[in-house]
Amino acid sequence: KNEVEQSPQNLTAQEGEFITINCSYSVGISALHWLQQHPGGGIVSLFMLSSGKKKHGRLIATINIQEKHSSLHITASHPRDSAVYICAVRYRGGNYGGSQGNLIFGKGTKLSVKP
Amino acid sequence: DGGITQSPKYLFRKEGQNVTLSCEQNLNHDAMYWYRQDPGQGLRLIYYSQIVNDFQKGDIAEGYSVSREKKESFPLTVTSAQKNPTAFYLCASRRTGTTNEKLFFGSGTQLSVL
Repeated sequence: KNEVEQSPQNLTAQEGEFITINCSYSVGISALHWLQQHPGGGIVSLFMLSSGKKKHGRLIATINIQEKHSSLHITASHPRDSAVYICAVRYRGGNYGGSQGNLIFGKGTKLSVKP
Repeated sequence: DGGITQSPKYLFRKEGQNVTLSCEQNLNHDAMYWYRQDPGQGLRLIYYSQIVNDFQKGDIAEGYSVSREKKESFPLTVTSAQKNPTAFYLCASRRTGTTNEKLFFGSGTQLSVL
């Protein structure tokens, strides 16, 4: 059982489409991160959320703490948005396995935007 | 520009050989991390360090070793005891002081077995 579930696993869109990627988690958290991994492998942090909504350019991230759910939206998608988008959570308090206070990662959503 | 540098980008290991992956940061971050990424899986924590000369095992530390002699450097050694080392390895760092500082990642090292 994966504590952080992302959907969909793969997503193909046409340029200009509105895109939504979802992340659900199973326990209380102190923060949720959205990350972007480009084909070369490097990872960039997009957002860190503990409540509400954040916006940066065409990217919007929302979180609903009660429902244990977050979404990443991309408006007016572009081929350069093609990447793997990863959700990660930091559990609130206490140990988690051997990684006290560290991030637990989803498996990622692979997005391909066609021109 | 500040950032995290991983080297090499590609590394090949012969059976029975130890190999070391380099991670250097000039962000003045106290905490550094090593993650392993396998196809179709989430990143998994190998080791982390929150201060010089101290480090902790993550979820999959067996077959790996690290050192933290300098704040800027956190090398990872993949030992011969790691029987399935082929994976993409990512180094990351962050400021400490609060639990919700964002992570900064290197560009990764792809390790393959010859």
